[in-house]
Amino acid sequence: DAKTTQPPSMDCAEGRAANLPCNHSTISGNEYVYWYRQIHSQGPQYIIHGLKNNETNEMASLIITEDRKSSTLILPHATLRDTAVYYCIVRRNNNAGNMLTFGGGTRLMVKP
Amino acid sequence: EPEVTQTPSHQVTQMGQEVILRCVPISNHLYFYWYRQILGQKVEFLVSFYNNEISEKSEIFDDQFSVERPDGSNFTLKIRSTKLEDSAMYFCASRKQGASYNEQFFGPGTRLTVL
Repeated sequence: DAKTTQPPSMDCAEGRAANLPCNHSTISGNEYVYWYRQIHSQGPQYIIHGLKNNETNEMASLIITEDRKSSTLILPHATLRDTAVYYCIVRRNNNAGNMLTFGGGTRLMVKP
Repeated sequence: EPEVTQTPSHQVTQMGQEVILRCVPISNHLYFYWYRQILGQKVEFLVSFYNNEISEKSEIFDDQFSVERPDGSNFTLKIRSTKLEDSAMYFCASRKQGASYNEQFFGPGTRLTVL
């Protein structure tokens, strides 16, 4: 699986958009970009994933650059409960185990 | 909304003892996973399980570890002879079948403390 690079930490004001970047310059054509988050001591939580098109769901939007070498997770109106570590994971989909490899992630602190 | 459950939430054991961590995955899911997270460190993959056999495992998952799906609902992780360095949060996860469904649902974790 391709390696990802994320800033170790970011701050965001409550109510503002949080834009979390991820670089994955070695991504291959059949690899998806996944975002998970981990709120303190809880199990990781799936947020969103995409291949090449931008994606949106009730939690967030995912913007993938045209060359697919980077992406941005957008939380449109961050709340204090969005304070968490956010993980960008690149992974191909198949019917095998599909283990997730977690890096260090970005620790997002949403401040009042 | 269905969720993955894990028991116990906290397990304290003596070094050398066997422990069994239990998980109930979401009912229509067919892939099951164990991950662990040592305090302050990354979440690490241990093992994945499908169709009653291990499909992938990491270097951490040595002969001291085993997994089982003893009935239609439970998925267990056994550590035969615990070591101090096995102290960690252990997370179970599950997902649906199908290449497009790689959303893994994680349980709340079991905190294992080895004394």
